[in-house]
Amino acid sequence: AQSVTQPDIHITVSEGASLELRCNYSYGATPYLFWYVQSPGQGLQLLLKYFSGDTLVQGIKGFEAEFKRSQSSFNLRKPSVHWSDAAEYFCAVGGGGGFKTIFGAGTRLFVKA
Amino acid sequence: DTEVTQTPKHLVMGMTNKKSLKCEQHMGHRAMYWYKQKAKKPPELMFVYSYEKLSINESVPSRFSPECPNSSLLNLHLHALQPEDSALYLCASTATSGQGSGELFFGEGSRLTVL
Repeated sequence: AQSVTQPDIHITVSEGASLELRCNYSYGATPYLFWYVQSPGQGLQLLLKYFSGDTLVQGIKGFEAEFKRSQSSFNLRKPSVHWSDAAEYFCAVGGGGGFKTIFGAGTRLFVKA
Repeated sequence: DTEVTQTPKHLVMGMTNKKSLKCEQHMGHRAMYWYKQKAKKPPELMFVYSYEKLSINESVPSRFSPECPNSSLLNLHLHALQPEDSALYLCASTATSGQGSGELFFGEGSRLTVL
């Protein structure tokens, strides 16, 4: 069965500290992988995506993610967190041309001063 | 600026009312989606339109009625809703081919409260 697991419901980091949000997926074919961010009361915004090629992908707002096929993981990282990064982060998996994107449960990021 | 526009941003309705949510995109995407999102949960897929035809209906109750008048517009008609239908309703669109397919572009959502 296709699924996405985000093991951390919430994470708190200090401003300026590094961040890693975990994501594991189960998908039968080559996955298209995404990270979306959602601020309170807003829609979701794409941070980055992986379709093929270089397994380290760069996104907006200084985020990056690394695809590790052997671990079925697609973890999101940022070297220095800003207070404005506080939000909900969703990892998602889908197939190219398919319409069903599977979302993880989300990880809520809190940033402390 | 979001490229998917949803109106209204907020809607309060009684259980006997009829209302509609509207969504518009001008990116040339031929797939459009309605999602429902409850607090602290991921979005749940409701409907998918592909080339203006209903492609996926995730067993949504008939009190929700989608409509796709043209390739840029998507509506969600609401009738006889229940309080548990209160949620954030998100519209999204994607390209239907190439590496852009699968990447969802979301609107900011319509916050619905059913009294």
